[in-house]
Amino acid sequence: GAGVSQSPSNKVTEKGKDVELRCDPISGHTALYWYRQSLGQGLEFLIYFQGNSAPDKSGLPSDRFSAERTGGSVSTLTIQRTQQEDSAVYLCASSFVEAGGEKDEQFFGPGTRLTVL
Amino acid sequence: AQKVTQAQTEISVVEKEDVTLDCVYETRDTTYYLFWYKQPPSGELVFLIRRNSFDEQNEISGRYSWNFQKSTSSFNFTITASQVVDSAVYFCALNSLDSNYQLIWGAGTKLIIKP
Repeated sequence: GAGVSQSPSNKVTEKGKDVELRCDPISGHTALYWYRQSLGQGLEFLIYFQGNSAPDKSGLPSDRFSAERTGGSVSTLTIQRTQQEDSAVYLCASSFVEAGGEKDEQFFGPGTRLTVL
Repeated sequence: AQKVTQAQTEISVVEKEDVTLDCVYETRDTTYYLFWYKQPPSGELVFLIRRNSFDEQNEISGRYSWNFQKSTSSFNFTITASQVVDSAVYFCALNSLDSNYQLIWGAGTKLIIKP
């Protein structure tokens, strides 16, 4: 597609349930990022994938959070045993990586609004 | 350590006024990139500009202009003749080799343009 797509756009779940959020990056972008944004707050980095390298998981807030990227394209962020504090908008972004490793601007998807009741 | 500071948490102006959003950064790298993003009420982050640290020329794009000053480590964003549609949260960000080119984000400035 032309841009980064994310699904679902909205997800309401009950506390304790698992959820999966999907991100489809821009074709040709080897770098993929997940962020979380709570209401009225800035962006909180969660995880980053670059090609076949091991992902940078340094931003994941707990072991209930995990992500994978299959085939270097689509990524899934999984939150297990959701808690009310997980409620936020989850944003995915992708970028092109230059030969020297510089990452160009990130293009963002519309986000998934997660509400944990 | 790298850091981006947007000291203005919220700015409110009347339509047609000019407004400047401040961004101050810290980095040890000599090569780095600075960015501005816009997040309108719809929520989707929109890329506005990417500037290389070696290019200190100011840039103008329509009503938007950016003033990059390495001497003060600032990359300020000015909107001329503001419009209600400019209302959004604006984020400044930085990346460099020191951050493995991960974006270091400022906290954002909420801009309210009143009709």
